[in-house]
Amino acid sequence: QVQLQESGPGLVKPSQTLSLTCTVSGASFSGGGFFWTWIRQRPGDGLEWIGHIYYSGSAYYNPSLRSRVTMSVDAPKSQFSLHLNSVTVADTATYYCARLRIQGAAAPTWIDPWGQGTVVLVSS
Amino acid sequence: QSALAQPASVSGSLGQSITISCTGASDDLRSPTYVSWYQHHAGKAPRLIIYDVTSRPSGVSSRFSGSMSGRTASLTISGLQPEDEAHYYCSSYKMTSTLVMFGGGTRLTVL
Repeated sequence: QVQLQESGPGLVKPSQTLSLTCTVSGASFSGGGFFWTWIRQRPGDGLEWIGHIYYSGSAYYNPSLRSRVTMSVDAPKSQFSLHLNSVTVADTATYYCARLRIQGAAAPTWIDPWGQGTVVLVSS
Repeated sequence: QSALAQPASVSGSLGQSITISCTGASDDLRSPTYVSWYQHHAGKAPRLIIYDVTSRPSGVSSRFSGSMSGRTASLTISGLQPEDEAHYYCSSYKMTSTLVMFGGGTRLTVL
């Protein structure tokens, strides 16, 4: 049974970098057919895709966040990370990590399972 | 503004059926396509309930079904139960890219 768990600080100051790590268990992190993704939900809003990354390090980012986002992987530890720099209060959200199934070259299809989510507050 | 349009809210009585629509722009939802649906209870992890437009993951009730017509995908929940009260999101990817899109979400109220 695949499980994902987010970890990282729950409070980040404005202008700093938000860094979260997702640990994957119960599945081959480096297996083909899956990317690893970050999604967030700001208070009162819906789900927002941030980006996804392959175990090799190839990554795709939401154009609206691309200038501030970097994702990385640590395959031996079955972990992948999100780094969002220059945060503002608008980045306050629940952040989810999840597994993303791909088809063909790299077409995203479905997302399952999801981590429980971690709340990040951006405040001074 | 989401690239996939969903109604903000729908409601239905216990035991009845409801349908939630998800409409994409002209180039965003077309065959072959990969539309998925997620159920989200507040404070919990979103749950995949439909993938590849019509497929249901193991363990998901047969009361949930998906369909598609033109640029509109639909989620139907039959025999509404109290536990169905949640937010529902559709998702797909932008054609000619690998960008994931979510609908704005629909709040389902079971009366």
